[in-house]
Amino acid sequence: AQSVTQLGSHVSVSEGALVLLRCNYSSSVPPYLFWYVQYPNQGLQLLLKYTSAATLVKGINGFEAEFKKSETSFHLTKPSAHMSDAAEYFCAVSVRFGNEKLTFGTGTRLTIIP
Amino acid sequence: GAVVSQHPSWVICKSGTSVKIECRSLDFQATTMFWYRQFPKQSLMLMATSNEGSKATYEQGVEKDKFLINHASLTLSTLTVTSAHPEDSSFYICSAREPGVADTQYFGPGTRLTVL
Repeated sequence: AQSVTQLGSHVSVSEGALVLLRCNYSSSVPPYLFWYVQYPNQGLQLLLKYTSAATLVKGINGFEAEFKKSETSFHLTKPSAHMSDAAEYFCAVSVRFGNEKLTFGTGTRLTIIP
Repeated sequence: GAVVSQHPSWVICKSGTSVKIECRSLDFQATTMFWYRQFPKQSLMLMATSNEGSKATYEQGVEKDKFLINHASLTLSTLTVTSAHPEDSSFYICSAREPGVADTQYFGPGTRLTVL
């Protein structure tokens, strides 16, 4: 079985500062990894995904994440935070050639300080 | 990009009644759809996997007779909450897998169910 741990349920950064949201995964087989964003009372929007190609993955809205197998991590970063980035972020894992189920982390609420 | 819609976006019903939620893939055919439940300020919990033309696969602890899932076409899956009770109040989100795109699920906007 696979699992995801998101460190920090709440993260606050100043506008213009670096955003770093942490995600560590556990999987007995090569994983697919995803970051989703959720705005209040909305569904989830895919930010980016890792599916065994390049380890540095670029997504929408200036976000990127790096897959580090040695550290079992897939941290999400953005060089300069914008007020519109305030939202809930979920890391998720699924298994290649598996049953397509996504296992989500508990989420990180990102607050941007003006 | 792939778009998934849900209807209704919110619903209020009386205890004991049934509520149907629709999930549609608008620009692609989805052989597999997923239904999630999200409690306030919590993560998503997978309830069931919906496969077109066959019975849904429910996660452990999810009552099949209470949460009826039908996936009658490649673009529509429905979740019916039968005999709803206040504890069923939650945010229900569906997702659909786009064929040929590695394990990527596209999510609907969610349905807020409130049972009085």
